[in-house]
Amino acid sequence: DIQMTQSPSSLSASVGDRVTITCRASQGISNYLAWYQQKPGKVPKLLIYAASTLQSGVPSRFSGSGSGTDFTLTISSLQPEDVATYYCQKYNSAPRAFGQGTKVEIK
Amino acid sequence: EVQLVESGGVVVQPGGSLRLSCAASGFTFDDYSMHWVRQAPGKGLEWVSLISWDGVTPYYADSVKGRFTISRDNSKNSLYLQMNSLRTEDTALYYCAKDKHSSGWNPLDYWGQGSLVTVSS
Repeated sequence: DIQMTQSPSSLSASVGDRVTITCRASQGISNYLAWYQQKPGKVPKLLIYAASTLQSGVPSRFSGSGSGTDFTLTISSLQPEDVATYYCQKYNSAPRAFGQGTKVEIK
Repeated sequence: EVQLVESGGVVVQPGGSLRLSCAASGFTFDDYSMHWVRQAPGKGLEWVSLISWDGVTPYYADSVKGRFTISRDNSKNSLYLQMNSLRTEDTALYYCAKDKHSSGWNPLDYWGQGSLVTVSS
C-alpha cells in the first residue's frame, strides 16, 4: 500500500509569513492528492484537490502544487484563522491513506 | 444543503460489536461513493472504509479488514458500519464522508460531525 508522509509535523510562524507543508507518496499517484484543514474541535474541511485545484470558498492565499510523489501546500500569508492541522490524502485508489498531519501555530 | 449525521457510537467492551449509521440528505445519495474515516483522541485522520454508489464494491483499511463491514441502503439514504471484534485501538470519533463527484476517484467534500466509539472494559 502507498504511504503518505508529511513534513514538518508541526510549525510555528508569524502572521504574514509564507508557510509551506510537504507531502510525499511512497509511489506515484499522479495528481490524485487532496489537502484538508482541521481546526481545533472541528470537522475536516477540503481545501485543495487534484493537487492544485482550490475548493470553492477557500481563500486564494492557499495553493497546492506537485505531481507524482512530491506535493506542497503553501499559505502565502499566514492568518490567525489558519491555525489548524493540515492533512494530505491520496485518492487514486484504495486504501485512501492520509498523511500524519502538520500542526500550524502562530508564533 | 448537504447533511451527514452519524449515530450509534457508545461505550463497548473489547471483543464486542457495534453498528454505526449515517443519515444523508441534501444530495442524490445513490449517485455517490461514501466513506468512513476515524480519528483517535488527539491523533490524526485514518481512512477506514469506502463503498461504491451501488453498494457492490467495498474497500477497507488493513487495520479493520475482516472485522468491519460497510454497507448502504439507498432507499433510506443511509450508510452503515458494522464493527465486530472491537479492540481498544478502535476507540475514535468516526466520521461519515462523501465523494466530491459521482464518478471516478474523488476527495471527500462533506463530512458529518462524527460519532464517538469508546472500546473499554
